[in-house]
Amino acid sequence: RKEVEQDPGPFNVPEGATVAFNCTYSNSASQSFFWYRQDCRKEPKLLMSVYSSGNEDGRFTAQLNRASQYISLLIRDSKLSDSATYLCVVHVLTGGGNKLTFGTGTQLKVEL
Amino acid sequence: EPEVTQTPSHQVTQMGQEVILRCVPISNHLYFYWYRQILGQKVEFLVSFYNNEISEKSEIFDDQFSVERPDGSNFTLKIRSTKLEDSAMYFCASSRDSNYGYTFGSGTRLTVV
Repeated sequence: RKEVEQDPGPFNVPEGATVAFNCTYSNSASQSFFWYRQDCRKEPKLLMSVYSSGNEDGRFTAQLNRASQYISLLIRDSKLSDSATYLCVVHVLTGGGNKLTFGTGTQLKVEL
Repeated sequence: EPEVTQTPSHQVTQMGQEVILRCVPISNHLYFYWYRQILGQKVEFLVSFYNNEISEKSEIFDDQFSVERPDGSNFTLKIRSTKLEDSAMYFCASSRDSNYGYTFGSGTRLTVV
């Protein structure tokens, strides 16, 4: 089983649509969870952290279900500028340090 | 906004040559990392570095790879004898502590020919 699994997409949606991405992770010792955004050939940029209580940042809502090892991201009223690859990322504390484990990403294309 | 700086943005090298990729992390960050992304694939962890030593490394980070913090600001990744399969985007990142979000640099695209 992959450490972090995402549907690669692409999700093609019209402007203004609501779109949801899901992610599952296999390491139950995972500590923190994030959604990153990556534009073509650019670096990953932190979109938001994900908490069990759910958190919202403008049009973006993230949710974590630790029991099911499941993470979600909801984008409301999608804009053309939301077109990107959304990376589900899990943070693991290891014996000596820490690392991020990335999913393969879900590609979103918002169209007129 | 503070940023992580990487140089060069693009490096082309011949197979078997040594390359050094350079990074300047955010000044008050204590944890430093290298990740790589082969074209079309996911971002993969290479190594983490804290308190002047490697704290964690992946299977990818074999004897051909090394990292160094030669002074108070730079953090380098060296590949001793490059292979074709080392061609990838290499991202440096830093964080304030081990639980905090990372900031990534804009990456160095390494092409081995």
